Amino acid sequence: NAGVMQNPRHLVRRRGQEARLRCSPMKGHSHVYWYRQLPEEGLKFMVYLQKENIIDESGMPKERFSAEFPKEGPSILRIQQVVRGDSAAYFCASSPRMTGTQYHSGANVLTFGAGSRLTVL
Amino acid sequence: GIQVEQSPPDLILQEGANSTLRCNFSDSVNNLQWFHQNPWGQLINLFYIPSGTKQNGRLSATTVATERYSLLYISSSQTTDSGVYFCATCEEGNNDMRFGAGTRLTVKP
Repeated sequence: NAGVMQNPRHLVRRRGQEARLRCSPMKGHSHVYWYRQLPEEGLKFMVYLQKENIIDESGMPKERFSAEFPKEGPSILRIQQVVRGDSAAYFCASSPRMTGTQYHSGANVLTFGAGSRLTVL
Repeated sequence: GIQVEQSPPDLILQEGANSTLRCNFSDSVNNLQWFHQNPWGQLINLFYIPSGTKQNGRLSATTVATERYSLLYISSSQTTDSGVYFCATCEEGNNDMRFGAGTRLTVKP
């Protein structure tokens, strides 16, 4: 059972270009979360999606950032017109159930991918 | 939203020593996880522990939900334990797991 798969692992972009990061959740997981980690900092929530729906995007910057989780294929985090401040590690996580509901079975446990490291020159 | 504070921010140990990492949170929670981020950046889930005590080898964790804190114990530490330990939690019905700032552990041989 493959874990959460993210690609690319490393991405270099020049200012003004677009970055696309992909995430395939674990098999059987229908809840996908994107987090951003700046150097030497903790992870910050960006967006929570289920298939074909954005459920919570309260952590997404208002401009240039978008996310989708289509019926078929991976979830995609898209950053348009990248700037140097976008340089960070972007982590995707998935869970069988929503994180905020307690399950004795731990069905709301988050499993993270290896991350995509974006460098903007 | 919920606040998550971890202590200490940095910890340096000699191999074989024991340590306790603490996570305080500001509200009642339905989910609490401890993660280890290794030097290569990978996040490994250590424990799902919204309440109670769990043990896994040299690691154990306890969450006292009524007092809003969780502890991670590392016994007989090894150099491979080095990295950053994060506590993350979220409130009932919420979607965003809030991460603490982490405890950076360095275990010296």
